[in-house]
Amino acid sequence: GENVEQHPSTLSVQEGDSAVIKCTYSDSASNYFPWYKQELGKRPQLIIDIRSNVGEKKDQRIAVTLNKTAKHFSLHITETQPEDSAVYFCAASNQAGTALIFGKGTTLSVSS
Amino acid sequence: NAGVTQTPKFQVLKTGQSMTLQCAQDMNHEYMSWYRQDPGMGLRLIHYSVGAGITDQGEVPNGYNVSRSTTEDFPLRLLSAAPSQTSVYFCASTGEGRAVYEQYFGPGTRLTVT
Repeated sequence: GENVEQHPSTLSVQEGDSAVIKCTYSDSASNYFPWYKQELGKRPQLIIDIRSNVGEKKDQRIAVTLNKTAKHFSLHITETQPEDSAVYFCAASNQAGTALIFGKGTTLSVSS
Repeated sequence: NAGVTQTPKFQVLKTGQSMTLQCAQDMNHEYMSWYRQDPGMGLRLIHYSVGAGITDQGEVPNGYNVSRSTTEDFPLRLLSAAPSQTSVYFCASTGEGRAVYEQYFGPGTRLTVT
């Protein structure tokens, strides 16, 4: 079945540095790739998404890139702040395009 | 709009007991899904539905049943609870046309099976 791999599992950066999280997916039929941020005890919140007809998308300090040929996509956070500390999940739409398959998450810690 | 609601927020079951986790949405979304979240495992898809009367299995369906009699409701049933089903359960919905887009998550149900 569809599989999404996410790396690294933990990431520690200094405030102001950039953070990059990478994901690969297995099903070439996937066409929607969201990123979610989850704070402790809360539900996942969408922070940015990209569709397969777009290579890059940016929203202020957050950007996502997609390489359909290589089947990987990445989240880039610039000028990190302590409030960026959370668990980040990537996901890809399943083969039928009816639900999401998630990576295992990256715990990002931003120290001031 | 209340969005996606889930009840209960917390539940403790004994092994072998059955229960139903409730999920409702008031956004007229066609697609609804159930996920479970375990430490270090991310969110794993249990079952999903593309409309009333239509359900399908996800990555980890064993031990769970679902039905979708209305657009609004998508309950998840545990027939005989096992300790391995201790987890946080999230319901989600989406509804932009006939494809999955932004998933709106409910607040979650924390289930403990002893």
